Amino acid sequence: RKEVEQDPGPFNVPEGATVAFNCTYSNSASQSFFWYRQDCRKEPKLLMSVYSSGNEDGRFTAQLNRASQYISLLIRDSKLSDSATYLCVVNPFPGGYNKLIFGAGTRLAVHP
Amino acid sequence: NAGVTQTPKFQVLKTGQSMTLQCAQDMNHNSMYWYRQDPGMGLRLIYYSASEGTTDKGEVPNGYNVSRLNKREFSLRLESAAPSQTSVYFCASRDTEAFFGQGTRLTVV
Repeated sequence: RKEVEQDPGPFNVPEGATVAFNCTYSNSASQSFFWYRQDCRKEPKLLMSVYSSGNEDGRFTAQLNRASQYISLLIRDSKLSDSATYLCVVNPFPGGYNKLIFGAGTRLAVHP
Repeated sequence: NAGVTQTPKFQVLKTGQSMTLQCAQDMNHNSMYWYRQDPGMGLRLIYYSASEGTTDKGEVPNGYNVSRLNKREFSLRLESAAPSQTSVYFCASRDTEAFFGQGTRLTVV
């Protein structure tokens, strides 16, 4: 089983739609969780960190479910500019200096 | 503020040739990472360095070596390139969040 698993998509949605991505992780001791965004042929960039209580940043909401070992990303009112690959990232150990494990990514295509 | 700088951006190698990918960060981060990204595979960790003077293997270290030259620089060396090492390579540094360089597109023919 992969350490971090995501549905590869693609998710094809119209502008204005709400879309949700899930990501599961295998290491129950994982402490830090992130969503990154990667545009075609570009480097990944942090979209948001995921906190235990859940957190929101504008149209984006991230949730963590430790019991079921998954995190989610909800995008409301999708824009054309949201088209990208969304990467789920897990820090599988406590502390800030250990490896980050990336999921393979979920591709989102928003159309007019 | 440059962030993470990788060189070169593009490279074509012949099988068996060697090369070093350079990475430097100016954010005073302790942790640095090398990833490769292949279609459908996501980013896979090659090596990482928790601090100056230490390096550790990631998921796919075979065929690579690294050097943490100082706090700023973390290089990745391919001693004898193989076609299977054709990929996009990303360097990253991290405090809480990771910042990435723009990538090196390497083709081994």
